[in-house]
Amino acid sequence: EPEVTQTPSHQVTQMGQEVILRCVPISNHLYFYWYRQILGQKVEFLVSFYNNEISEKSEIFDDQFSVERPDGSNFTLKIRSTKLEDSAMYFCASSLAGTSYNEQFFGPGTRLTVL
Amino acid sequence: KQEVTQIPAALSVPEGENLVLNCSFTDSAIYNLQWFRQDPGKGLTSLLLIQSSQREQTSGRLNASLDKSSGRSTLYIAASQPGDSATYLCAVRGENTGFQKLVFGTGTRLLVSP
Repeated sequence: EPEVTQTPSHQVTQMGQEVILRCVPISNHLYFYWYRQILGQKVEFLVSFYNNEISEKSEIFDDQFSVERPDGSNFTLKIRSTKLEDSAMYFCASSLAGTSYNEQFFGPGTRLTVL
Repeated sequence: KQEVTQIPAALSVPEGENLVLNCSFTDSAIYNLQWFRQDPGKGLTSLLLIQSSQREQTSGRLNASLDKSSGRSTLYIAASQPGDSATYLCAVRGENTGFQKLVFGTGTRLLVSP
């Protein structure tokens, strides 16, 4: 069964460093998402992406964050200058379309630890 | 602002019991509601998607119901097994919260003991 994959599974970085989290969405899906979950808290939406553009973003998704589809299979989240509070599990998701009928399928997550 | 609440926060039952997990949301203008399972330190596995026009959806031993007007959904698990132990999350996709954004609840942590 097709699934969303994410690499790395765990990333440790120093405060102020740039990190890139990688995702391979399900191959025929057109909409891509990033969510995050700080330890012990709710899963929060960050951004959605379609047709090489951001379609929605939350107030969390400030200028420190960016997303990109560098090729036909990868979808990346970049954090330019990491802060301690960026430590969280980051989930990538994809859906076939952006209509209300479409399920979002999630990857296993990347645990980001900022020291 | 859409708020999603799940009760109880934790539930412990012996194997074989039927159980109900509850999810409530404050803004009834939703497109759909999705139930997920999350194992410790792992990703989210989609269990069921129920559209706003539907009353219920079934998959195996799982049955989700939706009462949109009262802002409630329940996930019914029949004949629970130790392998069902996980955190169960509900998430809504709303007309007033962004077309593609899922708003998640805090989850119910379920432990099924043999």
